[in-house]
Amino acid sequence: KNEVEQSPQNLTAQEGEFITINCSYSVGISALHWLQQHPGGGIVSLFMLSSGKKKHGRLIATINIQEKHSSLHITASHPRDSAVYICAGKHSGGGADGLTFGKGTHLIIQP
Amino acid sequence: DAGVIQSPRHEVTEMGQEVTLRCKPISGHDYLFWYRQTMMRGLELLIYFNNNVPIDDSGMPEDRFSAKMPNASFSTLKIQPSEPRDSAVYFCASSSWTVAYEQYFGPGTRLTVT
Repeated sequence: KNEVEQSPQNLTAQEGEFITINCSYSVGISALHWLQQHPGGGIVSLFMLSSGKKKHGRLIATINIQEKHSSLHITASHPRDSAVYICAGKHSGGGADGLTFGKGTHLIIQP
Repeated sequence: DAGVIQSPRHEVTEMGQEVTLRCKPISGHDYLFWYRQTMMRGLELLIYFNNNVPIDDSGMPEDRFSAKMPNASFSTLKIQPSEPRDSAVYFCASSSWTVAYEQYFGPGTRLTVT
């Protein structure tokens, strides 16, 4: 069983819709990263969070430590948000650590 | 800052040849990670360094793979001999407490072994 599970695997929505991507993780993971990978292949870190909620522009990430669950929300989605979104878990409590990745959610926003 | 720099961006080689991938982390970052991405397995950690010392190499597939970090500004990932199943995109990332341990990824090296 993968330590980080994402859903849905694929998501197609219309421009303007509110998007939610979910991530569940196993015991031992202390923080979650949300990453974005565009069709060109580059990977960008969106958020890293170990508790609560973070917001950047139209992107919001939340984490529930008790339920071991995190969500990434996109408000007022736009075709330029089309990308693969990946959640990744970090094990160690302090410092950096190698990440364990989910399989990714392929998001397409249609105009 | 130029970000994490990887070279080459693309590499095509024949089975059995030695391949060396290179990474320059962001200046001041003391963590460096090597990841591999394939269609079948997604993204996987290969190895990571802290202050030039390998901390976790449990993801290195086999003895054909080796990684070094001779100084704070340079790391290599070597495959010898290469095999077709090594074809993948290899990413390098760096991090530091100064960025709250977020990881900054390089553009990747797309390796094709024929």
